[in-house]
Amino acid sequence: NAGVTQTPKFRILKIGQSMTLQCTQDMNHNYMYWYRQDPGMGLKLIYYSVGAGITDKGEVPNGYNVSRSTTEDFPLRLELAAPSQTSVYFCASGGVGTLAPEAFFGQGTRLTVV
Amino acid sequence: AQSVTQPDIHITVSEGASLELRCNYSYGATPYLFWYVQSPGQGLQLLLKYFSGDTLVQGIKGFEAEFKRSQSSFNLRKPSVHWSDAAEYFCAPRSNDYKLSFGAGTTVTVRA
Repeated sequence: NAGVTQTPKFRILKIGQSMTLQCTQDMNHNYMYWYRQDPGMGLKLIYYSVGAGITDKGEVPNGYNVSRSTTEDFPLRLELAAPSQTSVYFCASGGVGTLAPEAFFGQGTRLTVV
Repeated sequence: AQSVTQPDIHITVSEGASLELRCNYSYGATPYLFWYVQSPGQGLQLLLKYFSGDTLVQGIKGFEAEFKRSQSSFNLRKPSVHWSDAAEYFCAPRSNDYKLSFGAGTTVTVRA
């Protein structure tokens, strides 16, 4: 059981380039999340999704876009990369109900914008 | 507005001593509550969770947390810390619409 898989693990982008961070989960979870983590700042929610076709903004959505065409996949798109987007990005997924309400996290993508 | 606060940025504790990490939240309704741990360069691992019932919950690695509704708190404790507990700890409430937020984290250093 792979859980939550993020690709790539590392990436260096030049200012103004774009890229997509991939996230897929094999647990049939309804809910998926994207976070960024900066040193000393905890995790900030970028976007989340409650199911295929439904997405919502989190705390820091500017400069990012997401889509959720399938239950399994929740890609994060960066358009016109800026140095402020240098961060570690985590994807997570979670189920419904009270039996297993916790989120499971991927191993992260370390992105540097130069 | 919903918020979560971890008042302690950094805690240093001696090996074998007890540890308590504080978490306070401000939500309209009691959220689901989680504690996650992150070792350097690693992802996040769930320590424990609370959604109802007994207000003292047990987790992995000997951790426990106590939910106090009157204080809007969910503090994490461990009676005897091991060197391997050095990590960053995050309190994370999840609202009823499944929005999962994180506190700023508390870094724990364990000294021999």
